Amino acid sequence: EAGVTQFPSHSVIEKGQTVTLRCDPISGHDNLYWYRRVMGKEIKFLLHFVKESKQDESGMPNNRFLAERTGGTYSTLKVQPAELEDSGVYFCASSRRTGGSRTPLHFGNGTRLTVT
Amino acid sequence: GENVEQHPSTLSVQEGDSAVIKCTYSDSASNYFPWYKQELGKRPQLIIDIRSNVGEKKDQRIAVTLNKTAKHFSLHITETQPEDSAVYFCASVGNTPLVFGKGTRLSVIA
Repeated sequence: EAGVTQFPSHSVIEKGQTVTLRCDPISGHDNLYWYRRVMGKEIKFLLHFVKESKQDESGMPNNRFLAERTGGTYSTLKVQPAELEDSGVYFCASSRRTGGSRTPLHFGNGTRLTVT
Repeated sequence: GENVEQHPSTLSVQEGDSAVIKCTYSDSASNYFPWYKQELGKRPQLIIDIRSNVGEKKDQRIAVTLNKTAKHFSLHITETQPEDSAVYFCASVGNTPLVFGKGTRLSVIA
């Protein structure tokens, strides 16, 4: 099966600009997660979709971040306007419905975002 | 919420030696503990996991132990090889989504 794919792999933008990250989960995976890793630190949870619904968005840092998953397939994460501290690697992960977070997550390769 | 502490942050071992990475968690409701390996520039990949109803699980050179009373779990890699070099993340799941430790950069020196 095709894995989780993320686009773009790298993005360099200036402070104040907008960036949209995309994630295509594994087909049939209802659970979709966004995580972020700032250099040298832990992988931090941002939010969790079950199909098109936001199950948990407690990790979203502020209202400059907007995630959507229209139709319950792919998801986008928009950062507007971007700040320097938003730099990091944004990972998307998916898993099957059964078991929720207690089933193995399949990660994408991540999008490395650099805000200058 | 859940807090996962991971030690050490870096670890260097000679090829053939063992490596041990330790994690502690705070949420007594946590009941699933996966370990992920991330090679440079690649995605985190699940290498082994353990659920709270078992104390130890082994898969070839990799083993994980869990002590629920003490709220800690460990990853053991025996007969290390250069390809084991990577960043390893522990994680736990309970009433919150997957929470990761800060990672351990393992270097296996040939």
